Amino acid sequence: AQSVTQPDIHITVSEGASLELRCNYSYGATPYLFWYVQSPGQGLQLLLKYFSGDTLVQGIKGFEAEFKRSQSSFNLRKPSVHWSDAAEYFCALTPSNDYKLSFGAGTTVTVRA
Amino acid sequence: EAQVTQNPRYLITVTGKKLTVTCSQNMNHEYMSWYRQDPGLGLRQIYYSMNVEVTDKGDVPEGYKVSRKEKRNFPLILESPSPNQTSLYFCASRAWGGESYEQYFGPGTRLTVT
Repeated sequence: AQSVTQPDIHITVSEGASLELRCNYSYGATPYLFWYVQSPGQGLQLLLKYFSGDTLVQGIKGFEAEFKRSQSSFNLRKPSVHWSDAAEYFCALTPSNDYKLSFGAGTTVTVRA
Repeated sequence: EAQVTQNPRYLITVTGKKLTVTCSQNMNHEYMSWYRQDPGLGLRQIYYSMNVEVTDKGDVPEGYKVSRKEKRNFPLILESPSPNQTSLYFCASRAWGGESYEQYFGPGTRLTVT
């Protein structure tokens, strides 16, 4: 069975600083990977996705993520954080031969002025 | 506009009073699913449906029922809600096969059971 681990429960970052959120997965083959963001009181918004090809994927709101097969990781990055990036971020995985979406526990990002 | 809708968005109820949360999608998707979100646990799948009249349990199905009589609708039924079902619920849908592996989520339903 597949699983997703987000090692950091909470991260605090200064506005304008860089941000990296970690995501590790467990799955026997190459999965399809996603990052979602949930702003306070809001639903889920897809930031980016990886299916195949280039291992560095660009998403919305200036985010990017890099798939590293050797490390079973799919870390999310943003070079310069804005106050509006304060939210909860979820990494998720779908197996290539299934429809189930498995989520990590989430990382809450706080942005300080 | 392609979307997944859920109703109600907010619900406060009492233990044991049956309730239904509706979910509808207008994208002709075959696959639909329900998740609950709890702090520190992320989203966990409750039930899913591969097509009309085809449903199956997810990771946390206890205390829930679903039905899929029409392709567009996938209601979540709590026959006898309990306080441990207080949570944020999301419905999602996805097309069968093809190149798109993305699930589309509804806006969420916040349920409180007292």
